[in-house]
Amino acid sequence: NAGVTQTPKFQVLKTGQSMTLQCAQDMNHNSMYWYRQDPGMGLRLIYYSASEGTTDKGEVPNGYNVSRLNKREFSLRLESAAPSQTSVYFCASSFDYYQETQYFGPGTRLLVL
Amino acid sequence: RKEVEQDPGPFNVPEGATVAFNCTYSNSASQSFFWYRQDCRKEPKLLMSVYSSGNEDGRFTAQLNRASQYISLLIRDSKLSDSATYLCVAKGLTGGGNKLTFGTGTQLKVEL
Repeated sequence: NAGVTQTPKFQVLKTGQSMTLQCAQDMNHNSMYWYRQDPGMGLRLIYYSASEGTTDKGEVPNGYNVSRLNKREFSLRLESAAPSQTSVYFCASSFDYYQETQYFGPGTRLLVL
Repeated sequence: RKEVEQDPGPFNVPEGATVAFNCTYSNSASQSFFWYRQDCRKEPKLLMSVYSSGNEDGRFTAQLNRASQYISLLIRDSKLSDSATYLCVAKGLTGGGNKLTFGTGTQLKVEL
């Protein structure tokens, strides 16, 4: 039981390049989330998927797209990376959207030059 | 004003000390509160929920003061392994619903 896994762990991009961050959970959770964490800002919600087949914007969705591929997987895409997207990205999941306990993946450290 | 505010610290305390952190929140409509723990360069993990009646789990005690809109975390008999950043979290703060709003964290360093 791996919990929440994320790939890659580290990535360096040039401005304008695209990439997809992958997230998978094996806890049979219905809800999944993408956050970014920046110094002095706390964790901020980018997008979430309350259940398979649905996605919604969070606090900071601009510049990102998401896909809930199936119940297990939730990916985050940067179409044209910008230096402002340099951050640590965390994926999380919860049993459902009403449950307060979220389980986080180990994070992806992204540097955009 | 940030929706959830915490003193960033660091709080440097000797092993065995008692330490307390406070966190203030801006919206009295917020439904629930939590403390998450985040070790350096790791993911956040739920430490405990905060109930109006208080909540104790071993050496950790969490309290909620709705009148003054703050929550607190008390750690007794600090261990070296308690060194981490403690994130204050409110549910239903922004736009209601079930979204979690995270504070920026308070860093604790427990020293020999």
